[in-house]
Amino acid sequence: GQSLEQPSEVTAVEGAIVQINCTYQTSGFYGLSWYQQHDGGAPTFLSYNALDGLEETGRFSSFLSRSDSYGYLLLQELQMKDSASYFCAVSGAGNMLTFGGGTRLMVKP
Amino acid sequence: NAGVTQTPKFQVLKTGQSMTLQCAQDMNHEYMSWYRQDPGMGLRLIHYSVGAGITDQGEVPNGYNVSRSTTEDFPLRLLSAAPSQTSVYFCASTGGGEQFFGPGTRLTVL
Repeated sequence: GQSLEQPSEVTAVEGAIVQINCTYQTSGFYGLSWYQQHDGGAPTFLSYNALDGLEETGRFSSFLSRSDSYGYLLLQELQMKDSASYFCAVSGAGNMLTFGGGTRLMVKP
Repeated sequence: NAGVTQTPKFQVLKTGQSMTLQCAQDMNHEYMSWYRQDPGMGLRLIHYSVGAGITDQGEVPNGYNVSRSTTEDFPLRLLSAAPSQTSVYFCASTGGGEQFFGPGTRLTVL
């Protein structure tokens, strides 16, 4: 089976940097991805890490350490519109995605 | 390019009724999946398909059926609705390592 752990809530101020951690246990692992979901909306893809290291996409970066079964999403120069839920997800056999419970990020002025 | 479309957007059912949630994608993706999301929680995989004619169970398949007669369409059928199936249902298709989600169907079972 697969399980993922991430904090349930994080609060930060506009302009700050926030890191959302994700640890996982899995019987088969192909990669770790991150999704953003605004209230009432559908999840949207942010990033995917198959190999160890840091992937950067604009203000967002994602990191993976396969040996530690750990990854994080780093959001820089926070904006109010970044207030949303963020989900990590593990890709396993057959392209199946298992999602974590989500981290609700609240950005304050 | 519409991406992933779902119908209906909202649905209210009575216990015991059956219905089909429709999902279609125009990106020619082989892999499609159905998730449910309960309030304040993550997404749980119901069923998935790796191509036309091939389907398999996910984490929470009981009470649901799927079929995949074409690459484009992946309908989800509720056989006999129960209040525990009240949820938001998302269909997704996967291509290039990225999952594309439909807008969701908000289902209430009374």
